[in-house]
Amino acid sequence: GAGVSQSPSNKVTEKGKDVELRCDPISGHTALYWYRQSLGQGLEFLIYFQGNSAPDKSGLPSDRFSAERTGGSVSTLTIQRTQQEDSAVYLCASSSGSETQYFGPGTRLLVL
Amino acid sequence: KQEVTQIPAALSVPEGENLVLNCSFTDSAIYNLQWFRQDPGKGLTSLLLIQSSQREQTSGRLNASLDKSSGRSTLYIAASQPGDSATYLCAGENTSGTYKYIFGTGTRLKVLA
Repeated sequence: GAGVSQSPSNKVTEKGKDVELRCDPISGHTALYWYRQSLGQGLEFLIYFQGNSAPDKSGLPSDRFSAERTGGSVSTLTIQRTQQEDSAVYLCASSSGSETQYFGPGTRLLVL
Repeated sequence: KQEVTQIPAALSVPEGENLVLNCSFTDSAIYNLQWFRQDPGKGLTSLLLIQSSQREQTSGRLNASLDKSSGRSTLYIAASQPGDSATYLCAGENTSGTYKYIFGTGTRLKVLA
């Protein structure tokens, strides 16, 4: 089927506004990951969902960041009161447990 | 804290050359290791996965190896082509079953026609 999709592809927002980023994983994949890629930096793990287990939120940089996964499928990453340092590419990946992660194209967030 | 270094940061080679990209981990206790390719403005594509019981994987012109004793991995690209131009990222999973990968900052490769 289709690969991992993310929306929007680009988002420009003003400092202090909230944003929501969406990820549609590959159908049937039980694991879903969010990463952040800042300019010149490696990928930074944010959060990991696996089936119905409690998510691993250990990578979220502050309490302004949250994520949920509804029905074990679509996930939304929410950033409240955005700051300029939140500007980055946010990547979502999913896997079936085979350990290979399939990545979406990312959402490029720019906070002015 | 695990840190991943990739050398070189950037590489430009003429078409046809064989080349080696390097990746090293400060904590050599790597469980699984993946090499990815990232094209500009795109997401990542998994190239090779070396699982915990393995030391090497091959796919076409690509060969990746992992030396767990030193925490080093290499990606070998044979007979490079302009279409190989991309950023190559390595990522290691420290703890079995978490699937939490720590990524390097990548090697930007340009293959000149």
